[in-house]
Amino acid sequence: EVQLVQSGAEVKKPGESLKISCRGSGYTFTTYWIGWVRQVPGKGLEWMGIINPGDSDARYSPSFQGQVTLSADRSSSTAYLQWTSLKASDTAMYFCARRNHDSGLALDIWAQGTLVTVSS
Amino acid sequence: DIQMTQSPSSLSASVGDRVTITCRASQNINSYLNWYQQKPGRAPKLLIFAASTLQSEVPSRFSGSGSGTDFTLTIDSLQPEDFATYYCQQSHSILFTFGPGTTVDVK
Repeated sequence: EVQLVQSGAEVKKPGESLKISCRGSGYTFTTYWIGWVRQVPGKGLEWMGIINPGDSDARYSPSFQGQVTLSADRSSSTAYLQWTSLKASDTAMYFCARRNHDSGLALDIWAQGTLVTVSS
Repeated sequence: DIQMTQSPSSLSASVGDRVTITCRASQNINSYLNWYQQKPGRAPKLLIFAASTLQSEVPSRFSGSGSGTDFTLTIDSLQPEDFATYYCQQSHSILFTFGPGTTVDVK
C-alpha cells in the first residue's frame, strides 16, 4: 500500500526547535517530490514548500522562506520539516503529501498530519 | 505568486441537490487545477486533477471543468458523506497555492 506516515503530535515552548517527519512506503520514495501544507485550526490550507527526496532540491513559499527548513533522507524514505525557533503562531496541523507527475502534479497521497502546539 | 479565489465561501444544501463551486486563478494556469475534499480532523483527499480527471475510486457524481483561469467543481446528487470543505489548488507553478475553501453544510 502506498502511504505516508507522519510523526506524532508535539507540544513545544516558544523559542524551542522542532523537526517532524514524514515517512513514505509502498513506492519509490525518490521518484516523487514531497510537499508540506500548514493548516491553522479552523482555517484553510497553506502551501509551505516542496522537496525532491532524490537530490534534496527544496523550494519554499515566500511566506515560509527562512522560517522553516525542508530536508530528506533517501536511506530511510523520510522527509522532514524543521524549525529552529518556534513561535506561538506556528501552532497548526502540518501535512505532508506526495506530488504525482502522472496526476497533473496534484498531491495524490497525504499523510495523517502532525499537530504542533507552541505555548508557554 | 498565483492567487486562487473560490466562490461561494460556504453553501447550504440538501441530499440530492446539485452543487457547483467555482475557482478562479489570477493568471492562466492551463489545466493545472486540482480539487480536494477535507472533512473535519482529516487530511485532504484528492478528488479531481488536471481540471477534469477523476481520481481513482472517487464517485462519478463529482466532476470538474474549465481551463485557463476559470474552473468549476460540480457534485451531482449530493450524498450525506459529501458534506465537507472543498479546496481548489493550482499546480502550474511549483509554488502551489490553494483557494480559501468552500464549506458545504446541511440546509
